Order: sequence, then C-alpha cells, then structure tokens
Amino acid sequence: NAGVTQTPKFQVLKTGQSMTLQCAQDMNHEYMSWYRQDPGMGLRLIHYSVGAGITDQGEVPNGYNVSRSTTEDFPLRLLSAAPSQTSVYFCASSYSGVTDSGNTIYFGEGSWLTVV
Amino acid sequence: DAKTTQPPSMDCAEGRAANLPCNHSTISGNEYVYWYRQIHSQGPQYIIHGLKNNETNEMASLIITEDRKSSTLILPHATLRDTAVYYCIVRVGVGTASKLTFGTGTRLQVTL
Repeated sequence: NAGVTQTPKFQVLKTGQSMTLQCAQDMNHEYMSWYRQDPGMGLRLIHYSVGAGITDQGEVPNGYNVSRSTTEDFPLRLLSAAPSQTSVYFCASSYSGVTDSGNTIYFGEGSWLTVV
Repeated sequence: DAKTTQPPSMDCAEGRAANLPCNHSTISGNEYVYWYRQIHSQGPQYIIHGLKNNETNEMASLIITEDRKSSTLILPHATLRDTAVYYCIVRVGVGTASKLTFGTGTRLQVTL
C-alpha cells in the first residue's frame, strides 16, 4: 500500500515556466488537498477536493490550478512560476464521511520546488 | 474557524515525559483536536485526535480539558527520534468540506 505519492520530489523552474506536481493515493479517499510550506512556517492550504469533479480554493490559491478527474489523482498546476512560489508542497488525502468526523489525514513526503 | 495557540519551542530530556500544551478557546462542539508532527521537512505524521474524552494510542496520550478550550499532548517516554515540530490542529468546516488549518507549532527538542 503506497499511501500518498508525490512526484517529482525536487524541481527547479525558471520564472514564467509552467509545471504540474502530481499526487496520487491508493486508499480510495474522497478528500484530497494541496498545502505549501515556506521556511519556518506551518502548512497553508492551496486547493482541496471533496471528490472527483469537485474542487475548491483554500487559503493561498493564486497562481495555482487543480483538477480532479479521478478519485486517485489530484494534480497541482503552476501556470506561470514565480520566485514567491519557491516552497515545499505537500499533498494530503483522507476518507470523508457524511458528517465531519475524526478521519485521519495522510500526507505525502513533499515536493521541493525552487523558482529562479 | 477555531485557532490554536502553542508555545514556539520546548525542551525535554530523553526518557522523560514531554507535555505539549495547546489552547483552542474558540473551538466549537463538533470540532476535533488533532495532533500531527513533522520531522525535519518530511510530510506531517498523524499522532492522535480527540473530541471530548482523553485518548491514548501507541504513540501518545491526549488530554482535553472539560471545557475543551485546551489540550495537552503527552509523549510518555520521549526519545531523540521524537525531536520534531508538533502541530495542534482543530478540524474546521462541516460535512465533507473540512480542512486543516496549521499554525506554526511547537518545536520539541529532546536531549540526552
């Protein structure tokens, strides 16, 4: 059982380039999300999805797009990379019941992105 | 959304209990308290969660006050491998749209 898998682990981009961070989970979780973590800071929510075909914005969505065509995959797209997007990105997933409950959230190991 | 307040750093001697406090005075009745930790820059690791009652698992114990405005994570016998940043998080939102709000956490340093 692989859990939450993120690729690539490391990436260097030039300003203005676009790229996609991949996230896949094999636990049949409905709920998936993307966070970014800047040095010395906690994680901040970028986008999240409660199921295939449904996405919504988090705390810091500008400059990022997401889509959820399958339950397993939740890619994060940087449209035109900027140095301010240099960060560590974490994907997370969880099973979501009908009501808010204590379901555990699983995180990937992170993708280190540098924009020069 | 309920916010949490944690001390920025704590030290603990190896083998002793580490008690990490968290304030969440605006927590609502259906919100859970979660604890995660992050070792170096790895992905956050789930430790424990609770609603009202005290909880214990193989990693830690969670003590929640009766008014639910604060909680304490207890690592009963801290080891060097427990050195990490510990996040106390209140699960916000209702239905299936719940999401986590992270603060800056407590950096626990376990020493010999």
